Amino acid sequence: GESVGLHLPTLSVQEGDNSIINCAYSNSASDYFIWYKQESGKGPQFIIDIRSNMDKRQGQRVTVLLNKTVKHLSLQIAATQPGDSAVYFCAEKSGNNRLAFGKGNQVVVIP
Amino acid sequence: DVKVTQSSRYLVKRTGEKVFLECVQDMDHENMFWYRQDPGLGLRLIYFSYDVKMKEKGDIPEGYSVSREKKERFSLILESASTNQTSMYLCAGRSRGGAEQYFGPGTRLTVT
Repeated sequence: GESVGLHLPTLSVQEGDNSIINCAYSNSASDYFIWYKQESGKGPQFIIDIRSNMDKRQGQRVTVLLNKTVKHLSLQIAATQPGDSAVYFCAEKSGNNRLAFGKGNQVVVIP
Repeated sequence: DVKVTQSSRYLVKRTGEKVFLECVQDMDHENMFWYRQDPGLGLRLIYFSYDVKMKEKGDIPEGYSVSREKKERFSLILESASTNQTSMYLCAGRSRGGAEQYFGPGTRLTVT
């Protein structure tokens, strides 16, 4: 079947290197952001979230940075592993309580 | 572990057929969502429901309807399938006070 990763910007990363995935969001009133990971043939899986009153949040091997001034969100993956190969996309929540999703970035880990 | 399940992983239907996509969640979530996902377009919201028997149109409701008779089950209906409805369909659940949505594995529907 056709992959969700087609037509997406692709980041190729050497195994063991750090990855940085970027997302520009549209609504300055958004107060909550999520990063999802979607592996081929699977549904999106929650990675990490951040509220607008924070500018950084760390998880296991992942860090999310929020720059509200330029409406930019990034996901940093430390020591990238083959299992990190997937499509990553951000989502923002604004006043209507719905999530608006970015189109995503394909990450390919080179062993 | 939270769980959202979808009735089929792959489905092939003919143009004009009535299609039911079923979604069940075991998280006791009030809110449930149906999205379609197409290459280059990302996730687009079709319909959502914030309670039993309640439904709201999303961004692309045309050609679809939904049913929420029980809290745990949210069905997406294609009254008369068309080839432009070939897509990956994703269901999600969310608690009333929460923001994170939990997704099912998806149903890849092909309409021929």
